[in-house]
Amino acid sequence: NAGVMQNPRHLVRRRGQEARLRCSPMKGHSHVYWYRQLPEEGLKFMVYLQKENIIDESGMPKERFSAEFPKEGPSILRIQQVVRGDSAAYFCASSPSAGGNGHGQYFGPGTRLTVT
Amino acid sequence: AQSVTQLGSHVSVSEGALVLLRCNYSSSVPPYLFWYVQYPNQGLQLLLKYTSAATLVKGINGFEAEFKKSETSFHLTKPSAHMSDAAEYFCAVSDRPSGNTPLVFGKGTRLSVIA
Repeated sequence: NAGVMQNPRHLVRRRGQEARLRCSPMKGHSHVYWYRQLPEEGLKFMVYLQKENIIDESGMPKERFSAEFPKEGPSILRIQQVVRGDSAAYFCASSPSAGGNGHGQYFGPGTRLTVT
Repeated sequence: AQSVTQLGSHVSVSEGALVLLRCNYSSSVPPYLFWYVQYPNQGLQLLLKYTSAATLVKGINGFEAEFKKSETSFHLTKPSAHMSDAAEYFCAVSDRPSGNTPLVFGKGTRLSVIA
């Protein structure tokens, strides 16, 4: 059973470019969460999605960031016009629909974004 | 709102010594609590979780944690440290166990194991 998959693992962008981060949840999981990890910090929640719906985006910056989880395909976290402060590790987690957080959330290996 | 405090950003122990990583939480309702481990340049791996059943929870790699409501604590322990335990450890809380909600993480504790 494949775990949560994220790609790319490393992404380098110049200031002003767009970054697209992909996440495929574990098989049978319909809930996806995106977290951001800055150096010396824990993980901070960004957005929570189910298929075709954004459930909670309270942790998302108001500008330049967007996320989707289409009916088919992976979840995408999109950062437009990247700035150096966007450099971080971005983690995706998934959980099954039944049982809530009782099952825990399962994390992917992360995408490390570097903005030059 | 719930929160997590991990005491000590860096803990160093000798190989074979007791590992104790501290976590205190704040939650308005009975929480679910989690410990995750992160090895360098990797994702987070679930070590163990407390979900309102037994207060002493056993996890992978010989780790365990005890939920103490009176102390609002969920400290992680391992009787004998191994070199392979060197990693970053994160405590997390969910205050809506029956739902699917984001986790709130502590800032992490980096564990070093000295030979």
